[in-house]
Amino acid sequence: EPEVTQTPSHQVTQMGQEVILRCVPISNHLYFYWYRQILGQKVEFLVSFYNNEISEKSEIFDDQFSVERPDGSNFTLKIRSTKLEDSAMYFCASSGQLTDTQYFGPGTRLTVL
Amino acid sequence: QKEVEQDPGPLSVPEGAIVSLNCTYSNSAFQYFMWYRQYSRKGPELLMYTYSSGNKEDGRFTAQVDKSSKYISLFIRDSQPSDSATYLCAIRDNQGGKLIFGQGTELSVKP
Repeated sequence: EPEVTQTPSHQVTQMGQEVILRCVPISNHLYFYWYRQILGQKVEFLVSFYNNEISEKSEIFDDQFSVERPDGSNFTLKIRSTKLEDSAMYFCASSGQLTDTQYFGPGTRLTVL
Repeated sequence: QKEVEQDPGPLSVPEGAIVSLNCTYSNSAFQYFMWYRQYSRKGPELLMYTYSSGNKEDGRFTAQVDKSSKYISLFIRDSQPSDSATYLCAIRDNQGGKLIFGQGTELSVKP
């Protein structure tokens, strides 16, 4: 069964460093999402991406964040200058159509020291 | 008012019990409702997906949507220890497609 994959599973970084989180969505999907979950809190929407551009972003997704689909398979989230409060699980999701089910990857645990 | 509210629990039941998990939401225009299961430090896994009002059944799981009350439920029959996880309700935003999640209810099924 097709699945969303994410790498790395765990990333430790120093405050102020740049990180890139990688996702490989399900191959025929067109809509891509990033969510995050701070420990003990809700899963929160960050950004959605369709047709090579951002379709929606939350207030969390400020200028420090960017997304890219550099080739036909990968979808990345970049945080330019990490802060302590960026420590969270980051989940990538994809769906075939806008109203279809979103399938989530296993997540990347980001720890900012 | 929060868009989606869910009692975080924790909820502990004996094996074989019927479990009822619930969420309320604020926007009557929402139409797509989901339940995800999440094991510790893992990604959410889709359990049930419902459009508009009514019931949907899949094995031991039943999802129910009452749009008049803005209330969604997930029932688990004959609960098993392997059902122990956090259950997240989620609602799709009508315009952009993003999912709005509840807090999640932590369920423990004791053998």
